[in-house]
Amino acid sequence: NAGVTQTPKFQVLKTGQSMTLQCAQDMNHNSMYWYRQDPGMGLRLIYYSASEGTTDKGEVPNGYNVSRLNKREFSLRLESAAPSQTSVYFCASKTAGLYNEQFFGPGTRLTVL
Amino acid sequence: KNEVEQSPQNLTAQEGEFITINCSYSVGISALHWLQQHPGGGIVSLFMLSSGKKKHGRLIATINIQEKHSSLHITASHPRDSAVYICAVPYSGGGADGLTFGKGTHLIIQP
Repeated sequence: NAGVTQTPKFQVLKTGQSMTLQCAQDMNHNSMYWYRQDPGMGLRLIYYSASEGTTDKGEVPNGYNVSRLNKREFSLRLESAAPSQTSVYFCASKTAGLYNEQFFGPGTRLTVL
Repeated sequence: KNEVEQSPQNLTAQEGEFITINCSYSVGISALHWLQQHPGGGIVSLFMLSSGKKKHGRLIATINIQEKHSSLHITASHPRDSAVYICAVPYSGGGADGLTFGKGTHLIIQP
């Protein structure tokens, strides 16, 4: 049982390049999330997916797109990376319902030059 | 949007001390989460509580819904408790589920 996995662990991009951050969970969770964590700030919600094929914007969705192609995988895409997107990105998942804990992936550290 | 404030931001204590970390939020909620972020970056959920108190080992979490306040206590603190402790409440910005997080309390326990 791997839990929530993320790839890559580290990435350096140049401004304007694109990339996709991958996230997968093997816990049969319906809900999946993307957060970013910046120094001096709390984690912030980028996007949420309640189930396959559905997504909702969170607090900071600009500059990102997401895909929930199946129950296991939820990807985050940067179409044209900007230095402001330098951050640590965490994927999380949980079973549906208000009172369930979220399980976090190990994070992807992204630097945009 | 729910604002989550934690105090203190940084805390250094000696091994064995009783530790208290506070969290306040601006909008009424149904449940509050406490999480721990290890020095290596990994995040784990410690507690989720909607009322009263929960205990897990040396960790105790309390919440006062009316006062919009929660505390996390660590008894008999140990250097392995050194981590960032984060309070979070349900995200209230729109249709998305998810959490709104405090900035965290960086705890260092010295031997």
